[in-house]
Amino acid sequence: GAGVSQSPRYKVAKRGQDVALRCDPISGHVSLFWYQQALGQGPEFLTYFQNEAQLDKSGLPSDRFFAERPEGSVSTLKIQRTQQEDSAVYLCASRNSGTDTQYFGPGTRLTVL
Amino acid sequence: AQSVTQLDSHVSVSEGTPVLLRCNYSSSYSPSLFWYVQHPNKGLQLLLKYTSAATLVKGINGFEAEFKKSETSFHLTKPSAHMSDAAEYFCVVSEGSGTYKYIFGTGTRLKVLA
Repeated sequence: GAGVSQSPRYKVAKRGQDVALRCDPISGHVSLFWYQQALGQGPEFLTYFQNEAQLDKSGLPSDRFFAERPEGSVSTLKIQRTQQEDSAVYLCASRNSGTDTQYFGPGTRLTVL
Repeated sequence: AQSVTQLDSHVSVSEGTPVLLRCNYSSSYSPSLFWYVQHPNKGLQLLLKYTSAATLVKGINGFEAEFKKSETSFHLTKPSAHMSDAAEYFCVVSEGSGTYKYIFGTGTRLKVLA
């Protein structure tokens, strides 16, 4: 596609539910990133993939957060047993290695009630 | 470790007047620096980037930024603000090696007054 797409755009979950957020990167981009943006804050790094390999997951806030990219393209961020503090916008980006530039999707706004 | 500091959380300007959004960075080597803009309910859009070529970088929509190593600054400017410039602006440094993850500043909200 022309850009990074994410789905759903909005997700409301009850506390304790599991959620899955999807990211479709720009075709051909090897690197994929997930960021979390809390209200009124700048995005913060969660995890990084190079192809299907998850090379850095140092930003994941707890073991309830899990990300995968099994075929090196689409990625899913899963949050188990959601908590209110998980409410945020989750941004996905893919990177053009030639220009060291990340291109961001529109984000998924997660609200945990 | 790399970091960025955006010195103003809110900036208000009148339409047609200059814009200055300030950013200071900390990096142990020559960094890659970016400015992104985020309009309400929209994704992050790249305005411009510095990657050690020219120190004065021109971006989209009339924005430009100057890399000043001696001041560790990368301030964003525009000669004349337009109403459509009202948005949140983020200064970003790339880790540059390893994961190349981005480190974001806290953002500056630009308000343009008619």
